[in-house]
Amino acid sequence: DGGITQSPKYLFRKEGQNVTLSCEQNLNHDAMYWYRQDPGQGLRLIYYSQIVNDFQKGDIAEGYSVSREKKESFPLTVTSAQKNPTAFYLCASSIDTGDTQYFGPGTRLTVL
Amino acid sequence: SQQGEEDPQALSIQEGENATMNCSYKTSINNLQWYRQNSGRGLVHLILIRSNEREKHSGRLRVTLDTSKKSSSLLITASRAADTASYFCATGRSNDYKLSFGAGTTVTVRA
Repeated sequence: DGGITQSPKYLFRKEGQNVTLSCEQNLNHDAMYWYRQDPGQGLRLIYYSQIVNDFQKGDIAEGYSVSREKKESFPLTVTSAQKNPTAFYLCASSIDTGDTQYFGPGTRLTVL
Repeated sequence: SQQGEEDPQALSIQEGENATMNCSYKTSINNLQWYRQNSGRGLVHLILIRSNEREKHSGRLRVTLDTSKKSSSLLITASRAADTASYFCATGRSNDYKLSFGAGTTVTVRA
């Protein structure tokens, strides 16, 4: 899992609540990413950030928000607008976009 | 959008046997990467092969890339129980910010 940490490992949310997933890296990487993984499927990109104070929508950004105020941190908020948020969320970073990505251990979010 | 498609979806082999899985993609790429994911964990990068390379080795791993057929293969030799995992290919394109991941091949190595 390299120098990327995600917390918490498991998260339970009631319907209608916003929750924030933490992602921190000490690899001095400029680029960071958030993916969603559903059972038996590959990774789908939610948001990515190439540099501090900049981020872009990925393929499935609706119902999610992010911030990139520090190089080391890229938190993801799952809002109540996300209708089916139960999934495994993975954060990754890379020296630059398109390069090898280093993944955190993931956060499993369950909506009760 | 998933550019990479792995085949087969699942593979079960005996310890000591070789495991081969394939990845096909649709558009031109700059590089192709293989990752491993143990159940419930993050992905671990295994190997990256660039579009101008045809074969690459790393320990018991051998990756080939055929850009004319838009396909790649990952061979794991002398498999071990610890190789049990899902394996994903991901393609990177020039001037593109992201990697595109396939749905993965689940490999089970029986003791």
